[in-house]
Amino acid sequence: EAEVAQSPRYKITEKSQAVAFWCDPISGHATLYWYRQILGQGPELLVQFQDESVVDDSQLPKDRFSAERLKGVDSTLKIQPAELGDSAMYLCASSFLPGQGAGELFFGEGSRLTVL
Amino acid sequence: GQSLEQPSEVTAVEGAIVQINCTYQTSGFYGLSWYQQHDGGAPTFLSYNALDGLEETGRFSSFLSRSDSYGYLLLQELQMKDSASYFCAVRDSSYKLIFGSGTRLLVRP
Repeated sequence: EAEVAQSPRYKITEKSQAVAFWCDPISGHATLYWYRQILGQGPELLVQFQDESVVDDSQLPKDRFSAERLKGVDSTLKIQPAELGDSAMYLCASSFLPGQGAGELFFGEGSRLTVL
Repeated sequence: GQSLEQPSEVTAVEGAIVQINCTYQTSGFYGLSWYQQHDGGAPTFLSYNALDGLEETGRFSSFLSRSDSYGYLLLQELQMKDSASYFCAVRDSSYKLIFGSGTRLLVRP
């Protein structure tokens, strides 16, 4: 069964360091999402791509976060510099349809970031 | 602003029925979804309602009332494996999927 792949699963870093997360969506899924989930809370959308274009990054802290999906397939989310408050699970998801109908999202296992 | 409200925690006994409510206030509405997330796992899709009424999928059912901005997830014949967090999510006018803060369900023997 096709899955969304993410790496690394766990990342521990010190504040002010740079971190990067990678995501490979399910083949054929044009829409890719990065969500941040703080423990005990719901996922919060950071950025949404349609193919290689950003369609929503209104909640992305652009002074330190960046995301790209250069060829419209896999994607990278970068944080530089990391802050203590960035400790969270970073979830990548993909969907076949951008939002029509159920537009079911398929999530990866996530990358858990701990900033010391 | 946009908000989804759901209870933080619900406890029920194995074999029982439990209902998890969700009220929402969003800019635009294109459907209510429910996701399940076990501790340490990825959220997985359970159900979707675009129109008023009840949708049934096995032991799980989901209901929507657009006039009341309200929906619920009904879990029947509870099993221990149903212990997880359940999130309602709404697609707003820009098709962005917004999640609630989640309801932690604990199923006791």
